[in-house]
Amino acid sequence: AQTVTQSQPEMSVQEAETVTLSCTYDTSESDYYLFWYKQPPSRQMILVIRQEAYKQQNATENRFSVNFQKAAKSFSLKISDSQLGDAAMYFCAYRRIAGRNTPLVFGKGTRLSVIA
Amino acid sequence: GAVVSQHPSRVICKSGTSVKIECRSLDFQATTMFWYRQFPKKSLMLMATSNEGSKATYEQGVEKDKFLINHASLTLSTLTVTSAHPEDSSFYICSASLAGFQPQHFGDGTRLSIL
Repeated sequence: AQTVTQSQPEMSVQEAETVTLSCTYDTSESDYYLFWYKQPPSRQMILVIRQEAYKQQNATENRFSVNFQKAAKSFSLKISDSQLGDAAMYFCAYRRIAGRNTPLVFGKGTRLSVIA
Repeated sequence: GAVVSQHPSRVICKSGTSVKIECRSLDFQATTMFWYRQFPKKSLMLMATSNEGSKATYEQGVEKDKFLINHASLTLSTLTVTSAHPEDSSFYICSASLAGFQPQHFGDGTRLSIL
């Protein structure tokens, strides 16, 4: 079974600074999908960024980018120019590629605080 | 974009009551939906995979008779917590997606409180 590990339960960052959230995963599969979701206090799950494992190029979405190291099974999220609205729980997630839809496997999450 | 609607958003009821939660995909057909449970300050744990027209697939440790899942159409899956007890109090959230790289779209969740 696949597992996702987020080793940082809590992180904090000064407004306008950059922060990196760590994520590692364990799988025996060669192709899969990786995601970062944000969950603010409203508890709504919001997709931040996604990466296909067969793509070497790191995904980027505005201020959010990932450092995908397939051999190391690492998928960290970098948030640049942090804003107060970035404060939330961040979940790293893994998804198998299969014939039918497959569920997400989540890490335990990292709570990010942004300091004004 | 694709939207998933989940209702109700909040339920407070007495112990022994059965509670039904609905999850609808509003602008796409979802042959598969997923039900997750989230305890306070914890991660989302998959409870079951809901398959349209067939029986749900439950994760190990999830009681099928306690958490009844019905996926009668391509746009609606329901989770019924039967004879709910205080330990069933939690945040329940559903998701649906098209296949593959398409992201899962989540409902806004249901906060269930059993008194």
